[in-house]
Amino acid sequence: DTGVSQNPRHKITKRGQNVTFRCDPISEHNRLYWYRQTLGQGPEFLTYFQNEAQLEKSRLLSDRFSAERPKGSFSTLEIQRTEQGDSAMYLCASSLNQGIAKNIQYFGAGTRLSVL
Amino acid sequence: AQTVTQSQPEMSVQEAETVTLSCTYDTSESDYYLFWYKQPPSRQMILVIRQEAYKQQNATENRFSVNFQKAAKSFSLKISDSQLGDAAMYFCAYRSSDSGYALNFGKGTSLLVTP
Repeated sequence: DTGVSQNPRHKITKRGQNVTFRCDPISEHNRLYWYRQTLGQGPEFLTYFQNEAQLEKSRLLSDRFSAERPKGSFSTLEIQRTEQGDSAMYLCASSLNQGIAKNIQYFGAGTRLSVL
Repeated sequence: AQTVTQSQPEMSVQEAETVTLSCTYDTSESDYYLFWYKQPPSRQMILVIRQEAYKQQNATENRFSVNFQKAAKSFSLKISDSQLGDAAMYFCAYRSSDSGYALNFGKGTSLLVTP
């Protein structure tokens, strides 16, 4: 068990470009979450998957953002037409829905996005 | 939406001493979960301790314990025998038990541990 893995760790892009981040959850974790963290703030919830179904989306997830989790394994978060305000750390977390670890979200190290 | 407030942007403690980090939250729900997460510089966030609202007993994990005051909507974290490795950002988080699985985080408290 290697924990939640996120790639890339850093991404620098120019305004208007599209970017895609990947998250590999802990194996057998059926729930997967995306958060955004800006400097000096706590993480803010973006979206949540149970298996392959996207069950909850925050109002922060504008129409330029899309997330997928094909086959209920890894997930991707794409941002189209990036803006400078998208610069942030994007965190992924996963959890089980049963057992003693139920309700505990395990976080990855994040992908830091800088939009120039 | 539930809000979580951490009123101490920064705290400092000497090694081997005890420090308490404050957290208050606003909710109309009776059942929920509360968490403290630790985020070391440039490293991933890890769970320190959790508390189920229906449990009256305060959670304890080794040197970490909480003071959960449900009526006051307060959830403070006490770190005993502080170590240099405890230096990090600490986030308090709330999760509803029946209206979604998102964690609502506070803005965090930066803990400095001095030798």
